[in-house]
Amino acid sequence: QKEVEQNSGPLSVPEGAIASLNCTYSDRGSQSFFWYRQYSGKSPELIMFIYSNGDKEDGRFTAQLNKASQYVSLLIRDSQPSDSATYLCAVNDGGATNKLIFGTGTLLAVQP
Amino acid sequence: DTAVSQTPKYLVTQMGNDKSIKCEQNLGHDTMYWYKQDSKKFLKIMFSYNNKELIINETVPNRFSPKSPDKAHLNLHINSLELGDSAVYFCASSQFSGGYTFGSGTRLTVV
Repeated sequence: QKEVEQNSGPLSVPEGAIASLNCTYSDRGSQSFFWYRQYSGKSPELIMFIYSNGDKEDGRFTAQLNKASQYVSLLIRDSQPSDSATYLCAVNDGGATNKLIFGTGTLLAVQP
Repeated sequence: DTAVSQTPKYLVTQMGNDKSIKCEQNLGHDTMYWYKQDSKKFLKIMFSYNNKELIINETVPNRFSPKSPDKAHLNLHINSLELGDSAVYFCASSQFSGGYTFGSGTRLTVV
């Protein structure tokens, strides 16, 4: 059973701090890694993707991938109250169908 | 112009009824999906179609039947609804190995 694991939280950080969200996955064949943000009552929204080992930065967001450790993380710099949401890690299953396996999500709460 | 649109947004129905959810995407993507999100926010894939061909069929009761009349549409029909079917159902689309674009979801409540 291929799995993606996340700490469910809540992760509480003060406004302006760095929020660090972590995810581990079980399938060494996975090639594509995604972070989605989901506000309460809304649909998941893609915010970052990463395919290669190392860091990828986009504005206040940095995705980090370590395939050897089967670990992917998302850093949010200068956290804002509007960043408060559930962050879902998703990993493709390594097959030909682009099936994404989602973690259960980490609830982030940014305190003003 | 909504990229992936689902209807209806809310569906309240009695046990034993049959209902359908419709999904349309205008992104030109080749692949569409149905995911179920339970009360603990866990997203689990149900079905996927690539250019009208079923490519993923997870362990889902056969009361659930997807249908894709063309690559822009993917509908979900559910027969004999049960209490445990209550959840939010998301349609999504993608191109190649890219990330998904999700629809706004259909909150199904079976009473």
